[in-house]
Amino acid sequence: DIQMTQSPSSLSASVGDRVTITCRASQGISNYLAWFQQKPGKAPKSLIYAASSLQSGVPSKFSGSGSGTDFTLTISSLQPEDSATYYCQQYNSYPLTFGGGTKVEIK
Amino acid sequence: QLQLQESGPGLVKPSETLSLTCTVSGGSISSSGYFWGWVRQPPGKGLEWIASIHYSGNTYYNASLKSRVTISVDTSKNQCSLILNSVTAADTAVYYCARRVYGGHVDSWGQGTLVTVSS
Repeated sequence: DIQMTQSPSSLSASVGDRVTITCRASQGISNYLAWFQQKPGKAPKSLIYAASSLQSGVPSKFSGSGSGTDFTLTISSLQPEDSATYYCQQYNSYPLTFGGGTKVEIK
Repeated sequence: QLQLQESGPGLVKPSETLSLTCTVSGGSISSSGYFWGWVRQPPGKGLEWIASIHYSGNTYYNASLKSRVTISVDTSKNQCSLILNSVTAADTAVYYCARRVYGGHVDSWGQGTLVTVSS
């Protein structure tokens, strides 16, 4: 199975800050990487697929990059509504696996 | 607009069988371009993929659950179902139905349904 490791597990940042979350795969997954946002009590929401493609309707402040084993999700200017837990997921091969999540809080 | 709606019992006794149904509206479960599947999330924990199915019958299971899980589709009802046998407290979780682009990413999620395993 491909293990997905996210860092940090949590972070606290101020409104307007640029925030970066990293995700590392235990083996190469090309660009078969997605990012999800989950708010408390809600279902995950798809943000990015193919490592860097924005899901329809997602604001452009979210961006993704990377290929192979190392990936990043960036929020260009953090807003209060971005407080959530973010997950990466690889879909290069079954079983589909998720990172452990990064909880983003607003200072 | 596509909607996925999970349904099932909120409470299941240990050793019994959990049955969940995902009803798809605003789209066809028989579309060749998608897989349908289930993901769960224990309270306060992360996401775990359980199984996926294509309407043609191709299925994929998480090996850690494979001996206890069956996924199926009913094209006449536009539904996807999950059966999990011999449940324990460790199976307590929110269960999400999800649509995955064929060969690609998950692009739609249901709202989830909480299942508690307790006597």
